[in-house]
Amino acid sequence: TQLLEQSPQFLSIQEGENLTVYCNSSSVFSSLQWYRQEPGEGPVLLVTVVTGGEVKKLKRLTFQFGDARKDSSLHITAAQPGDTGLYLCAGARSGGSNYKLTFGKGTLLTVNP
Amino acid sequence: NAGVMQNPRHLVRRRGQEARLRCSPMKGHSHVYWYRQLPEEGLKFMVYLQKENIIDESGMPKERFSAEFPKEGPSILRIQQVVRGDSAAYFCASSPNSQFSYEQYFGPGTRLTVT
Repeated sequence: TQLLEQSPQFLSIQEGENLTVYCNSSSVFSSLQWYRQEPGEGPVLLVTVVTGGEVKKLKRLTFQFGDARKDSSLHITAAQPGDTGLYLCAGARSGGSNYKLTFGKGTLLTVNP
Repeated sequence: NAGVMQNPRHLVRRRGQEARLRCSPMKGHSHVYWYRQLPEEGLKFMVYLQKENIIDESGMPKERFSAEFPKEGPSILRIQQVVRGDSAAYFCASSPNSQFSYEQYFGPGTRLTVT
């Protein structure tokens, strides 16, 4: 059973467009991480959100954690070709096993020049 | 480069051979995690180690797989008698302490191909 569903699975847009990708679950997470992974490389941590309703901004990227801590979104403004990559969300459960990250399958974003 | 280091980056083994994957955590990090990424699947947790201790190996297959993180040197993920189904990308991650163990930094991975 996959606990984290990411949508869309694939997204191809033109440079300059805005986009939002989603990470949804029926489970509550104590924290949620967003990573970007490029082909042949490991995931690179972009942000961690821990409080329900929290919004974090990283330049043109805006991350939001749902009020109930079951879902999250990533919004990119004015996408650039350098934003191309696989965006992964990963959730940590509360309690003693918060190290055991559950990953979604990712959204593969292609930004065309 | 103070990031997580993994080697080799690519490893080819014949069925029945042993595979040894090495991971050096980020400087100052004492917690190491191993994940496996199969084609078309998300990363799956395998094992969590601290120096000289296996904390949680619940995600690791019970046979042929083992992991260690000795007092000195890198963490090792060992796969004995590899089979084709072991072909995957294996990622190591590290975190500085248990309080922020959910904030994990990943290495570049080792791509294992079993022929």
